[in-house]
Amino acid sequence: NAGVTQTPKFQVLKTGQSMTLQCAQDMNHEYMSWYRQDPGMGLRLIHYSVGAGITDQGEVPNGYNVSRSTTEDFPLRLLSAAPSQTSVYFCASSYRGATNEKLFFGSGTQLSVL
Amino acid sequence: DAKTTQPNSMESNEEEPVHLPCNHSTISGTDYIHWYRQLPSQGPEYVIHGLTSNVNNRMASLAIAEDRKSSTLILHRATLRDAAVYYCILKSGGSNYKLTFGKGTLLTVNP
Repeated sequence: NAGVTQTPKFQVLKTGQSMTLQCAQDMNHEYMSWYRQDPGMGLRLIHYSVGAGITDQGEVPNGYNVSRSTTEDFPLRLLSAAPSQTSVYFCASSYRGATNEKLFFGSGTQLSVL
Repeated sequence: DAKTTQPNSMESNEEEPVHLPCNHSTISGTDYIHWYRQLPSQGPEYVIHGLTSNVNNRMASLAIAEDRKSSTLILHRATLRDAAVYYCILKSGGSNYKLTFGKGTLLTVNP
């Protein structure tokens, strides 16, 4: 049972490049989400999904796209990277996203946009 | 969304108990109180959660005030591995899946 797996762990992009951050979970969780964490700050929600085919925006969705074609995977796409997107990205999942469920986090992707 | 207030930092000595406070004066009746911690260079890790009653697990205890406007995470015997940022979060019911993290409390544990 691997839990929540994020790839890659590190990535450097040039401004304007595109890339996809991968997130996979093997716990059959319906709820998945993406957060970003900037230095000295807490985590901010980017997008989330409550099941395959269903996604919604979080607090800071601009510049990011998501889709959820399977229960296991929830990729985060940067279509045209900007220096403001330099951050550490965390994927998290829980069974259904209910109030009494705990979130399982991945180990993060550190992204630098030059 | 209901907000939480935590001290920016706290310090403790190894093998002593640590009480991490959290104020949430605008909490609603269906909000669960969750605690997560984040060790350096790692993703957040679930610690404990509760609704009204005090809760215990192998990692910590959660003491919830009778009016639910504050709570305290208790680490019974701090170790160096407990040095982390601790986040107190309110998780709302209904269709709100937008879990909001504040800046948390940076706990330093002295040997």
